[in-house]
This record gives sequence, C-alpha cells and structure tokens, in this order.
Amino acid sequence: GAGVSQSPSNKVTEKGKDVELRCDPISGHTALYWYRQSLGQGLEFLIYFQGNSAPDKSGLPSDRFSAERTGGSVSTLTIQRTQQEDSAVYLCASSLARLGSGGREETQYFGPGTRLLVL
Amino acid sequence: SQKIEQNSEALNIQEGKTATLTCNYTNYSPAYLQWYRQDPGRGPVFLLLIRENEKEKRKERLKVTFDTTLKQSLFHITASQPADSATYLCALPVDNAGNNRKLIWGLGTSLAVNP
Repeated sequence: GAGVSQSPSNKVTEKGKDVELRCDPISGHTALYWYRQSLGQGLEFLIYFQGNSAPDKSGLPSDRFSAERTGGSVSTLTIQRTQQEDSAVYLCASSLARLGSGGREETQYFGPGTRLLVL
Repeated sequence: SQKIEQNSEALNIQEGKTATLTCNYTNYSPAYLQWYRQDPGRGPVFLLLIRENEKEKRKERLKVTFDTTLKQSLFHITASQPADSATYLCALPVDNAGNNRKLIWGLGTSLAVNP
C-alpha cells in the first residue's frame, strides 16, 4: 500500500519568503507528526496531530512556524519569513494510534522528507 | 531533562561479523524503546520495539536488549551484510504537554559493513 508521501522533495527559497510543505499520511492513521532534521542533529519534534484533538505545538521553534491538518488527513507545514537557520530536512510521520496507546500501533511511518534550503 | 546518547563514532565492521550498537538514556524510565534505520536521503524506518518488562526481542538477524537498571539498550545485527550499512536511531517516548507523548531521538550511529 501507499506510504507517507511528502512534497516537494526539495525546496530552495530566498530568505524572507514563505514556504509550504505538504504531507500525505497513510490512510487510516490518526496520528501525524512533523520533525526537523539538520545535519549532525537528531530528529527534532515540531508538532503532533491526533484525530480531532488540539495539536501539540510545543516543538515549534518560533511563531513563524505553523501547521494544519485538514479533514484528519493531509497536513501542511508553513514557515513564514524563512531564515537561513530554517534550512533542514523536514520529515513527516504517521502512526495508527497516538503514543501511549500501547502496541505496534505506535510505530511511526516516515515520509522521504522535504529538503529545504534557504539562501 | 531526558537525554539519549548513541555512540557517535561510526562503526566499521567486516561482513559476517556481529554489529553492536548502544543507546543510553538518562533521567527517566521509558515504557519502551524503539530502533529505526535511516538510509541517506530517506526517512527513518521502524525496526523493533522493546518494552520495559522485556529483556530481549529478536527479529530475523536483529536482536535488541533493554536493561532498565543500566538504562541502556543494545542493538545487535548478526551475520552482517553490506546492505545493513545505514544509520541506526533509537527513540524513546516522553510525556509531553497535556496528555500527549512525543518521541525523543538519539543522533544515531552510522554503521558500515565492508564486504
């Protein structure tokens, strides 16, 4: 079956521009996560959506970052007024159930990522 | 705060040998621990989950141990193959805002299996 897909795969933008990154999770997965991975750094949690609950935005690094998840499926991560330090790989993952629910349902399935370069 | 450490040095081994990777954590007791594999330019792929009440978990050539006293997990690949070359990440759940959890991740250990 189809896995998690992300678009675009690569994005080059100029400092100060806004960018939108898209994630299509696996059908039926209720949980969706956005991470950022910089060279030499671990996966940094950004935001988490679970069903119709309010998203957990505690990992967003600044108010320039926002995300939406429409209809419990597709999600868009928006970065406004991009800065050079925003350059990274942005990864999306989905899971069948939320963390803490127990079992293999917590396994996260990752997309290929969007490589963002801010010049 | 919670912290995860994985051996930062790349591991180079000969094909057929057993690779052993380490994940140490501090300042808390996770309910479980996960291991993922990440290839260059790709997202991580789930390999194994081991719970706090499990000492060992196996899957084909993979074996994971979990020592909650030492706060350590070991990840073994037996009869290693060049195709096993990748970065291996460990991840643990921590309680986050509200009634949520999030995964925190180690930086990963790069494994190279030489033919």
